[in-house]
Amino acid sequence: EVQLVESGGGLAQSGGSLRLSCAASGLTVSSNYMSWVRQAPGKGLAWVSAILSGGTTYYADSVKGRFTISRDNSKNTVYLQMNSLRGEDTAVYYCARSFIRGVITSFDPWGQGTLVTVSS
Amino acid sequence: QSALTQPASVSGSPGQSITISCTGTSSDVGGYNYVSWYQQHPGKAPKLMIYDVSNRPSGVSNRFSGSKSDNTASLTISGLQAEDEADYFCSSYSTSSTPLFGGGTKLTVL
Repeated sequence: EVQLVESGGGLAQSGGSLRLSCAASGLTVSSNYMSWVRQAPGKGLAWVSAILSGGTTYYADSVKGRFTISRDNSKNTVYLQMNSLRGEDTAVYYCARSFIRGVITSFDPWGQGTLVTVSS
Repeated sequence: QSALTQPASVSGSPGQSITISCTGTSSDVGGYNYVSWYQQHPGKAPKLMIYDVSNRPSGVSNRFSGSKSDNTASLTISGLQAEDEADYFCSSYSTSSTPLFGGGTKLTVL
């Protein structure tokens, strides 16, 4: 069974940092396009960042320069390092795999999500 | 880039059909056949229902179908069931090589 399990969420101060992890089973993160997608409370989905199978990374303008996506192939895990956190970063963060190879789209599966709360 | 535009809510009675629209531009919906749709029940992770405009992943009911015309994509659910009540989000690949999401549509089964 393909499964993604996020961890690392919690309460952070404005300006602070958190690192999220996404542990994969049933799929190899280094062979897939992996993304982070977030959902603010009561709001819609917003794509945050992706790391491609070749290692290229992409970021939404709202997090560029503050967030860094990476992976550890030996642990089959994707990370999202979040620095200079702001109140608007408060959201549930989901890890997801691109179902169609070669494009950052069509996300399946998704993890269960991890809640990040940024307080001022 | 702006999010894709979806109606905030739609409703229908059991057995009926409903359609949810998703409007973008020629730089996203109209420019690529990479539109996907997600179903999200409260407190749960999204679930992929349609990919590449009109394809269903294995296990998704054939009551769900997708289409696209110019810059607008549509999700149709036929034979509405109580379990279909959820939020639905569209997404499209874009010229920035990254995806856009719609604001979401709340489906109420009356």
